[in-house]
Amino acid sequence: EDQVTQSPEALRLQEGESSSLNCSYTVSGLRGLFWYRQDPGKGPEFLFTLYSAGEEKEKERLKATLTKKESFLHITAPKPEDSATYLCAAPRTGAVDGSRLTFGEGTQLTVNP
Amino acid sequence: DADVTQTPRNRITKTGKRIMLECSQTKGHDRMYWYRQDPGLGLRLIYYSFDVKDINKGEISDGYSVSRQAQAKFSLSLESAIPNQTALYFCATSDLQSGLDTGELFFGEGSRLTVL
Repeated sequence: EDQVTQSPEALRLQEGESSSLNCSYTVSGLRGLFWYRQDPGKGPEFLFTLYSAGEEKEKERLKATLTKKESFLHITAPKPEDSATYLCAAPRTGAVDGSRLTFGEGTQLTVNP
Repeated sequence: DADVTQTPRNRITKTGKRIMLECSQTKGHDRMYWYRQDPGLGLRLIYYSFDVKDINKGEISDGYSVSRQAQAKFSLSLESAIPNQTALYFCATSDLQSGLDTGELFFGEGSRLTVL
């Protein structure tokens, strides 16, 4: 069964305190690992796609990495505006492309000033 | 204006009532999706449509039906609403590049449904 599991469920940081969020997956024949950001009352917004182990993508204070079993979202020197729920997702087993994503439960990040 | 628009944004209804949630998009994408989001369960796929004539069940389609009226419109119906269908519902679209889905979903702002 496809599973995408995120940890921790919630993370509270002080401004400038770097940390990492984890996403582990059990999807056969992975065809991409996706990270999204969701602000309260909004739909998720796409951040990154990673396709192969060892790949890294960066956007401002965020860097996503991928291994064969998990992905990490590293947040360097976060600011309060980085507060959001971060979701990871993977295409369902058998999907030939990025369609039909299975999402993790999300990590709710709060950055205090 | 938003690229993916959902109506209504909030709805309170009673058990047994029929409810329709509507989604329209201006992105020109062929693929459209309905997800529901529940605390602790994440986003789960209800139905998806790869074009007007192609509609498929997702992982939790029981109790729901959909209609793809046009490339830009995809509606979700609850024929007889029940309390455990209380959730936040999202419509999304995606595009193809070189014949493959990019996996980048464009979400609407969500429709919050409460079934009493």
